[in-house]
Amino acid sequence: DTGVSQDPRHKITKRGQNVTFRCDPISEHNRLYWYRQTLGQGPEFLTYFQNEAQLEKSRLLSDRFSAERPKGSFSTLEIQRTEQGDSAMYLCASSLRGSGRSYNEQFFGPGTRLTVL
Amino acid sequence: GQQVMQIPQYQHVQEGEDFTTYCNSSTTLSNIQWYKQRPGGHPVFLIQLVKSGEVKKQKRLTFQFGEAKKNSSLHITATQTTDVGTYFCAGLDSNYQLIWGAGTKLIIKP
Repeated sequence: DTGVSQDPRHKITKRGQNVTFRCDPISEHNRLYWYRQTLGQGPEFLTYFQNEAQLEKSRLLSDRFSAERPKGSFSTLEIQRTEQGDSAMYLCASSLRGSGRSYNEQFFGPGTRLTVL
Repeated sequence: GQQVMQIPQYQHVQEGEDFTTYCNSSTTLSNIQWYKQRPGGHPVFLIQLVKSGEVKKQKRLTFQFGEAKKNSSLHITATQTTDVGTYFCAGLDSNYQLIWGAGTKLIIKP
């Protein structure tokens, strides 16, 4: 399968614990995005990378959230001291770089569903 | 902050009827993308509109981008059961962030 993969697919954790998710993008894609989606809502942009550089980060993103893409390939999203409000589907997407700062078609992974008890 | 409003939230149609969803932004968008998300699935890209007043068609789907680049619509002619899902617009704002609408869920009446 040459699509975007995410691991784990489901994560249940207790409030206050740290969690880390992994995303493997399509190999030739240099852009990688993280989104959060709750039931009945559209994806909420969290951050994106171009190669290993984190270019944009949502102004609404708590400092408990951090993302890395150390070698410009896979990425990790860590949530520290999880809260019940962090329960959501965390989606990763990848794309080829658009011209300038434009966006190309994004290919989404299956997501990681986080439940914070 | 900037928002992209999408209406309606739900639309129930009989199979064979038409479906339309609308997106409106408070500010000018650089471009707008449309995605479809099937129940239990992830968003899948449909199309991107860039030019003012642009109209694109994909079989029974017609996409429009407003002259002021603040609104967009997706129209499906003669819906089929395979069209079921939630349709999202996502607009690129002046800060080069992709702002997503809340989606319109297409439901086919039994």
